[in-house]
Amino acid sequence: SQQGEEDPQALSIQEGENATMNCSYKTSINNLQWYRQNSGRGLVHLILIRSNEREKHSGRLRVTLDTSKKSSSLLITASRAADTASYFCATDGNNAGNMLTFGGGTRLMVKP
Amino acid sequence: EPEVTQTPSHQVTQMGQEVILRCVPISNHLYFYWYRQILGQKVEFLVSFYNNEISEKSEIFDDQFSVERPDGSNFTLKIRSTKLEDSAMYFCASNPLWGGGTLSSYEQYFGPGTRLTVT
Repeated sequence: SQQGEEDPQALSIQEGENATMNCSYKTSINNLQWYRQNSGRGLVHLILIRSNEREKHSGRLRVTLDTSKKSSSLLITASRAADTASYFCATDGNNAGNMLTFGGGTRLMVKP
Repeated sequence: EPEVTQTPSHQVTQMGQEVILRCVPISNHLYFYWYRQILGQKVEFLVSFYNNEISEKSEIFDDQFSVERPDGSNFTLKIRSTKLEDSAMYFCASNPLWGGGTLSSYEQYFGPGTRLTVT
């Protein structure tokens, strides 16, 4: 079993539609973060949600966290072609180095 | 806005050679990290560094690897005797990790990565 698994693995939508990506994890966490990665590029931090939070918003992004189900979702509203990228969730747990454990990512394609 | 920077953007080396990947974390950040991403695979944690010493390391980070903060701004990853399977994107990240309680910050900010190709 692996920490931070996203589904779906790939998602294709039309511009203007909403995109929902899910992440599940196995062990207890302190925080869960979502990152975006354009093809072959670096990781861009999108949003962090703490284990005692249930929902967080940032612009067109909405993240939810259900610690009882060990799952999180990332909703991108009114998607744009520029949102095309891979999206990863990453969790940190009770470790001294605050290491992040990443999921396999969801490849989102937004068609104009 | 402050950014993590990494050099070089692409490094090609022959098997068995040593490489040094360089990173400049965001100023005033306290925790530094190296991660790698083999093409098409997950981002994997290698090592974290705090207060001039390794805080945590993964199984990947064996004796082939070492990290150093040679001065107040640079953070380096050295890979000795490179192997074909070391080919990957290597990401540096930093974390302010300031404060405590509700003021704690755990966001890790990543650099653009160095693509290492071992031939």
